[in-house]
Amino acid sequence: GNSVTQMEGPVTLSEEAFLTINCTYTATGYPSLFWYVQYPGEGLQLLLKATKADDKGSNKGFEATYRKETTSFHLEKGSVQVSDSAVYFCALSEGGGNKLTFGTGTQLKVEL
Amino acid sequence: SAVISQKPSRDICQRGTSLTIQCQVDSQVTMMFWYRQQPGQSLTLIATANQGSEATYESGFVIDKFPISRPNLTFSTLTVSNMSPEDSSIYLCSVYRGRRDTQYFGPGTRLTVL
Repeated sequence: GNSVTQMEGPVTLSEEAFLTINCTYTATGYPSLFWYVQYPGEGLQLLLKATKADDKGSNKGFEATYRKETTSFHLEKGSVQVSDSAVYFCALSEGGGNKLTFGTGTQLKVEL
Repeated sequence: SAVISQKPSRDICQRGTSLTIQCQVDSQVTMMFWYRQQPGQSLTLIATANQGSEATYESGFVIDKFPISRPNLTFSTLTVSNMSPEDSSIYLCSVYRGRRDTQYFGPGTRLTVL
């Protein structure tokens, strides 16, 4: 079956530091890949996505590139802010309209 | 994106009671999904609700415990029955948008069972 593995948190960074959250996946076909973010006390929001190999998703300074050869979709940001403190979930879906399979989530805390 | 609302936003319930959670979407959708997020955990799909047919449940979830209604294309309810403290979670509904490759989530219902 499908699975998503994320680096464990929590990750604590200083403001303006570089962020990488690792995500690797296992899938039988050619999944679409997603990063969702959950800010404290809020629901899940789509951050970015990529639907095929070598696609790069980007939003709010975050980027992730779909790497089929390494089955990875690592999340990066060049300079984090305190407001980026949240839990980040990597996820995949296979085929249109199918369910999402989530990683365990990585908590990010950004300090001044 | 989709505008999805849920009611209630949070509740505290007694063991043995039931709670019905409502999910309203701003436009018609074929499929609606219900997820559970236990404390400190990731999201787990409970069931998929299609209008006009029985919901499809994932392994480990049964209709008697989590009955779902889908009376029309913009609305669904999830009931958590005979609750125990282990049911304390955030329950989220979601829908697909666009080319059906992106799911959007409601704000969630935070349930605490005492």
